[in-house]
Amino acid sequence: TQLLEQSPQFLSIQEGENLTVYCNSSSVFSSLQWYRQEPGEGPVLLVTVVTGGEVKKLKRLTFQFGDARKDSSLHITAAQPGDTGLYLCAGEGETSGSRLTFGEGTQLTVNP
Amino acid sequence: DTGVSQNPRHKITKRGQNVTFRCDPISEHNRLYWYRQTLGQGPEFLTYFQNEAQLEKSRLLSDRFSAERPKGSFSTLEIQRTEQGDSAMYLCASSLRWLITDTQYFGPGTRLTVL
Repeated sequence: TQLLEQSPQFLSIQEGENLTVYCNSSSVFSSLQWYRQEPGEGPVLLVTVVTGGEVKKLKRLTFQFGDARKDSSLHITAAQPGDTGLYLCAGEGETSGSRLTFGEGTQLTVNP
Repeated sequence: DTGVSQNPRHKITKRGQNVTFRCDPISEHNRLYWYRQTLGQGPEFLTYFQNEAQLEKSRLLSDRFSAERPKGSFSTLEIQRTEQGDSAMYLCASSLRWLITDTQYFGPGTRLTVL
């Protein structure tokens, strides 16, 4: 069974601070996706990373896929209250077909 | 809006009743997925279709659960004889398989409460 461990589970910071969320596994993933979810809504795709070592930037968000394609990180610079939400990483396994394996999520709260 | 849509958004039912949810994927997407999410957890895979064929089912999908995608477009998920443990958010996602990537786009979900 493939598992994705996300850390931290909860994060409460002040506006303007930087933060990093980690997503780790012992399994190799063919791709990894990051989503953000608001209460009562479905996850909204932020980015897909496919190549080991890949770095993608989305405004103040930087996503990195580990060289071995087993881990990923999300770094937010100068967090804003609008960044508040549940951040989920999800991996598509090399041997698990198309199903996504999700981490438990990181609940981020950015206080003004 | 051309995203994934799900109906109903909320469903409250009594234990033992049957419920059916509908998912309309993004129109050109050939794959459709169902996930279940309980409070404080990430979504868990239930099943997926490629066109009208159901290609994979999770062990989470008990005999009381059935999913269909008869014409390769919309899909329905039925739960028979609902139990309180079925209370969760049921999420649908769709994708267009392209080479090695299969980015999934999610609908807003159906929140099921079993009393």
